[in-house]
Amino acid sequence: DAKTTQPPSMDCAEGRAANLPCNHSTISGNEYVYWYRQIHSQGPQYIIHGLKNNETNEMASLIITEDRKSSTLILPHATLRDTAVYYCIVRSMNTGFQKLVFGTGTRLLVSP
Amino acid sequence: DGGITQSPKYLFRKEGQNVTLSCEQNLNHDAMYWYRQDPGQGLRLIYYSQIVNDFQKGDIAEGYSVSREKKESFPLTVTSAQKNPTAFYLCASSTSGAANEQFFGPGTRLTVL
Repeated sequence: DAKTTQPPSMDCAEGRAANLPCNHSTISGNEYVYWYRQIHSQGPQYIIHGLKNNETNEMASLIITEDRKSSTLILPHATLRDTAVYYCIVRSMNTGFQKLVFGTGTRLLVSP
Repeated sequence: DGGITQSPKYLFRKEGQNVTLSCEQNLNHDAMYWYRQDPGQGLRLIYYSQIVNDFQKGDIAEGYSVSREKKESFPLTVTSAQKNPTAFYLCASSTSGAANEQFFGPGTRLTVL
């Protein structure tokens, strides 16, 4: 699975958009980009995933660059409850076993 | 409500004792997973099971054992052979399929004294 690079921490004001970047320059054509988040001392929560098209759900939007070497998770109106560690993960869609390789993620702090 | 339960949330054991962590899911998922998380680190895969009565070692299986006798249950035993067992343990499950997301339980924090 491809390695991802994320900034260790980011700050965001409550009500503003939080844009979390992820680099995955070695991603291959059959790998998805996943985003999870983990609030302190809880289990990770799935947010969104995509292959090449931009995706949006009730939690966030995922923007994947045309060359697929980077992506951005967008929380359109961040709240205090969005304070968490956000993990960007890539994995192959060709294997039956779904291994997720978690790095150290980005610690997002949303402030009033 | 459907979900994954792990019990207990906090567990203390003396060094040298085996301990079993519970994981139950009522999501009718075929696959289940155990991860370990150390402070400030990401998750590392211990064991996984894609179907009942079958399981595979993950990246850090040494000192751990599992069983999968029922679809809804995937208990993890931390044995005395595990040199640094104090950690946060997370169980997850997913449906079969290449792109299906994993659902995580609330975790068990194990402290070995």
